Amino acid sequence: GAGVSQSPRYKVAKRGQDVALRCDPISGHVSLFWYQQALGQGPEFLTYFQNEAQLDKSGLPSDRFFAERPEGSVSTLKIQRTQQEDSAVYLCASSAGFDSYNEQFFGPGTRLTVL
Amino acid sequence: GNSVTQMEGPVTLSEEAFLTINCTYTATGYPSLFWYVQYPGEGLQLLLKATKADDKGSNKGFEATYRKETTSFHLEKGSVQVSDSAVYFCALILRGSGNTGKLIFGQGTTLQVKP
Repeated sequence: GAGVSQSPRYKVAKRGQDVALRCDPISGHVSLFWYQQALGQGPEFLTYFQNEAQLDKSGLPSDRFFAERPEGSVSTLKIQRTQQEDSAVYLCASSAGFDSYNEQFFGPGTRLTVL
Repeated sequence: GNSVTQMEGPVTLSEEAFLTINCTYTATGYPSLFWYVQYPGEGLQLLLKATKADDKGSNKGFEATYRKETTSFHLEKGSVQVSDSAVYFCALILRGSGNTGKLIFGQGTTLQVKP
């Protein structure tokens, strides 16, 4: 595929369940970002990878959130013991370089609803 | 801290009307500035960007000028179309060493254009 893909597109979880969200970036893109977008709000940064290295995880809201990118391509965002406040759209973006001059390309997002 | 503030929406206009969406920012250092657009049912797309003071970004008839003296990056279009109906996000990236290129978004402004 030509763009960033994410799966699943929709996820419903019961409070307390663990979830895993997948991101397939554009092939060859070294930078990968995760953002959280609450309803009616702008996206907020969660974490950043340069290849397989997680260089910034300052936006992760709690230790229930964990992200990995073991081979420098596909990334997974895992949320343990989900809470209702975790309900949001989770966006993944990738870019070809590792500075602010490289455009970030966004995936369609995964809408997580925690009941 | 670093932040972006956009005018509240929704903005409702008739076709061919002039559009302005205000955006101001607060940043330590010298950011790059962006406008992203989210059409109904689609992912975030880069609309335009500017990387230094007095630069004008333009695309699809939209324009925005980087005004360092007023810390603003207002989005304008001379004649809107129904197809411009979307949510518009102003964003910044802090540049320089130690910054990972994460986007800091405003809360978004919904534009509705009526025929």
